[in-house]
Amino acid sequence: DSGVTQTPKHLITATGQRVTLRCSPRSGDLSVYWYQQSLDQGLQFLIQYYNGEERAKGNILERFSAQQFPDLHSELNLSSLELGDSALYFCASSVGAGGSTDTQYFGPGTRLTVL
Amino acid sequence: AQRVTQPEKLLSVFKGAPVELKCNYSYSGSPELFWYVQYSRQRLQLLLRHISRESIKGFTADLNKGETSFHLKKPFAQEEDSAMYYCALSGITQGGSEKLVFGKGTKLTVNP
Repeated sequence: DSGVTQTPKHLITATGQRVTLRCSPRSGDLSVYWYQQSLDQGLQFLIQYYNGEERAKGNILERFSAQQFPDLHSELNLSSLELGDSALYFCASSVGAGGSTDTQYFGPGTRLTVL
Repeated sequence: AQRVTQPEKLLSVFKGAPVELKCNYSYSGSPELFWYVQYSRQRLQLLLRHISRESIKGFTADLNKGETSFHLKKPFAQEEDSAMYYCALSGITQGGSEKLVFGKGTKLTVNP
């Protein structure tokens, strides 16, 4: 068990709504990463936070935002939801700020379904 | 553009047969590549990284810069190797930070 936890496991909501996904990193890890996995796009990096600060940004839509709190847990907020936002959202954490030697440990994911 | 291509969505082999999961990349810089694996009902986890030049669970992967490939190989597949395999590249975001770029994955099935 990698220690990264994500809640909820499943989320079903309607178009136009807003949801919050939560991630708790492994103990001692300072970085949190968010990924979106959809059937057509595969696993896509969204954003990384390191020790409370935004560290790297990927293909994250303006309707999406994230933050990392002082206790290092992170939340991903998705608003004005569209059908195409239905996907698996993964969180990962690592000890350092990133890089090829900084292993990312993944959570189990949150499956979002937008109806 | 930074891109990782895994040409095979599905790969099926028999136990004891050699297996090769293909990965090609596109990256203008010096690439750093990884293989991640997701077993059934388990989390995505790092299998190996090219800079370590390691063999994990009998798997190896060699970076071939000329062919821009990082194929994952195992001489004798086992049933427990059945899983989803993702090749990933450590790339640079527009802001200059590092990020992982994943391929779409290959589902490996090892038949008894």
